[in-house]
Amino acid sequence: NAGVTQTPKFQVLKTGQSMTLQCAQDMNHNSMYWYRQDPGMGLRLIYYSASEGTTDKGEVPNGYNVSRLNKREFSLRLESAAPSQTSVYFCASSEKIYYGYTFGSGTRLTVV
Amino acid sequence: AQSVSQHNHHVILSEAASLELGCNYSYGGTVNLFWYVQYPGQHLQLLLKYFSGDPLVKGIKGFEAEFIKSKFSFNLRKPSVQWSDTAEYFCAVIPYNTDKLIFGTGTRLQVFP
Repeated sequence: NAGVTQTPKFQVLKTGQSMTLQCAQDMNHNSMYWYRQDPGMGLRLIYYSASEGTTDKGEVPNGYNVSRLNKREFSLRLESAAPSQTSVYFCASSEKIYYGYTFGSGTRLTVV
Repeated sequence: AQSVSQHNHHVILSEAASLELGCNYSYGGTVNLFWYVQYPGQHLQLLLKYFSGDPLVKGIKGFEAEFIKSKFSFNLRKPSVQWSDTAEYFCAVIPYNTDKLIFGTGTRLQVFP
């Protein structure tokens, strides 16, 4: 089925470890986004990519890096995980902004 | 700071009750407005959206929202809720001349049979 695929679905990290969250979409969308969702805070934009080869910071980029590998894939990397990065991470994509976003199923990350 | 506000954090209703969830934004100029729903354990799904035209927008599952420009509001309504509407609801705004979707903090709706 067409959509946004995120891997892994769950992950536990120790403080200081690194990991990369993967996201791929098969809808030929230009724009891709990474959000984190925390209780009582809604979804906050970490990074986004308006097109292949471009990335920009969102509201909460500190502690994260991203790579737009190609039009399909947009990865999020935590270089040195901290407990404050415990969250649910959602990737999204859109063709045109007014169509709305299509979201992936999320990655639940716990940093201990 | 510019923002999207959802003042109802947690709403509890009985089935068949009417629902209205508030959403206010503080961005000037033209905005695009959305309501998303997140059912327990699932990802966000689009309920409805407004870009222009008729300020009363109808979405899926009997939901509707009204854009009132003078009040900077985009409230979500449903005349009669069902147990299956139990979910978290997010208002979101694309401010003028940006391509970023800014979310409110969400409203958790619980519907009891």
